[in-house]
Amino acid sequence: AQSVTQLGSHVSVSEGALVLLRCNYSSSVPPYLFWYVQYPNQGLQLLLKYTSAATLVKGINGFEAEFKKSETSFHLTKPSAHMSDAAEYFCAVSDTGRRALTFGSGTRLQVQP
Amino acid sequence: SQTIHQWPATLVQPVGSPLSLECTVEGTSNPNLYWYRQAAGRGLQLLFYSVGIGQISSEVPQNLSASRPQDRQFILSSKKLLLSDSGFYLCAWILTGGPGANVLTFGAGSRLTVL
Repeated sequence: AQSVTQLGSHVSVSEGALVLLRCNYSSSVPPYLFWYVQYPNQGLQLLLKYTSAATLVKGINGFEAEFKKSETSFHLTKPSAHMSDAAEYFCAVSDTGRRALTFGSGTRLQVQP
Repeated sequence: SQTIHQWPATLVQPVGSPLSLECTVEGTSNPNLYWYRQAAGRGLQLLFYSVGIGQISSEVPQNLSASRPQDRQFILSSKKLLLSDSGFYLCAWILTGGPGANVLTFGAGSRLTVL
């Protein structure tokens, strides 16, 4: 079965600093991987997805993620944090058997002024 | 364009009362539909998914049930709510082909508080 692990339930950065949110996956088949963002009391919005094309994936709002098969990782980065980036971020892996996604436990990003 | 609607947005119910959350999708046909629950401080747990009318797969044994009476309608129900049913319920759909395949699109969610 596929699974993802997000390291760090809370991450705090200063405005303008690098954002790094970690995600490691486990999958017996080549995975599709996703990052979603959730603002308070809202649904989840897709940031970016990896579907076996380029290993460096660019998403919305200046975020990007790099698929590293050797490390089974799909970490999310942004060069310069903005106050509006404060939200909860979820990494997810596709479950081809159910055509669903399996989500990590989430990382809450705080951006300090 | 495709849109997904969930209602009610917020619900406060006493223990033992029934529940009905509804989700409808517009702009697509024969989507796969999903109910996820997000409990406080936790990730998302898949509760049910459906690949077609009347076809429901349950992921975890619980106090809830789901139904899909129409192609683009997905309903989450309970006959008697428990305190542990409190949470944020998210409906989602997925395309089964094309460039958007495998991408879950979520509704705005329904926040349920059981007292």
